Amino acid sequence: AQKITQTQPGMFVQEKEAVTLDCTYDTSDQSYGLFWYKQPSSGEMIFLIYQGSYDEQNATEGRYSLNFQKARKSANLVISASQLGDSAMYFCAMREGRRYSSASKIIFGSGTRLSIRP
Amino acid sequence: GAGVSQSPRYKVAKRGQDVALRCDPISGHVSLFWYQQALGQGPEFLTYFQNEAQLDKSGLPSDRFFAERPEGSVSTLKIQRTQQEDSAVYLCASSLVKDNPTYEQYFGPGTRLTVT
Repeated sequence: AQKITQTQPGMFVQEKEAVTLDCTYDTSDQSYGLFWYKQPSSGEMIFLIYQGSYDEQNATEGRYSLNFQKARKSANLVISASQLGDSAMYFCAMREGRRYSSASKIIFGSGTRLSIRP
Repeated sequence: GAGVSQSPRYKVAKRGQDVALRCDPISGHVSLFWYQQALGQGPEFLTYFQNEAQLDKSGLPSDRFFAERPEGSVSTLKIQRTQQEDSAVYLCASSLVKDNPTYEQYFGPGTRLTVT
């Protein structure tokens, strides 16, 4: 069965420092996708970054990068040069299923609350 | 363009009341998902529609929960005889089938349901 594990309930980081949020996953499928979402206190889920299981290079989106280690089933999010606005809940998530299908549900981890100190 | 919208944003119901939560997906999005997010937890899948067809309802916690999308656009999640354990944020997400290699699900702001 699918499972996402985020072992850091909360983290405090100084502004402008880099931060790594941990995520491990479990799946028996060969084809899957990994996501990171940000959820500010306002409640909306904001898509940050995606990594496909067959993608050979780590995904990057601006200050966000995903450190994908397939053999270890690890998909850590790295945020460079953190900003006060990065304070939020961060969820790692996974979707199993066929490559070109949006049909599969997303399974979320329990989240990490990131707080940026000025 | 307009994102996913949900209404109401907040709903307080007395135990035993029925509630209806509405989701307006992004225009043209074929897939629609409902999730339940308890306080301090990640969202949990409830049900999935492709157009008007409900293809997966494995996450609905009981037969008090019912969802529909009769014309393949707007969806309604109905909870009958609400219980305190139904208190949560209900998130709706929509997604394109084609032209989006990340198959990203776009989330609405959620409806916070409090059952007293």
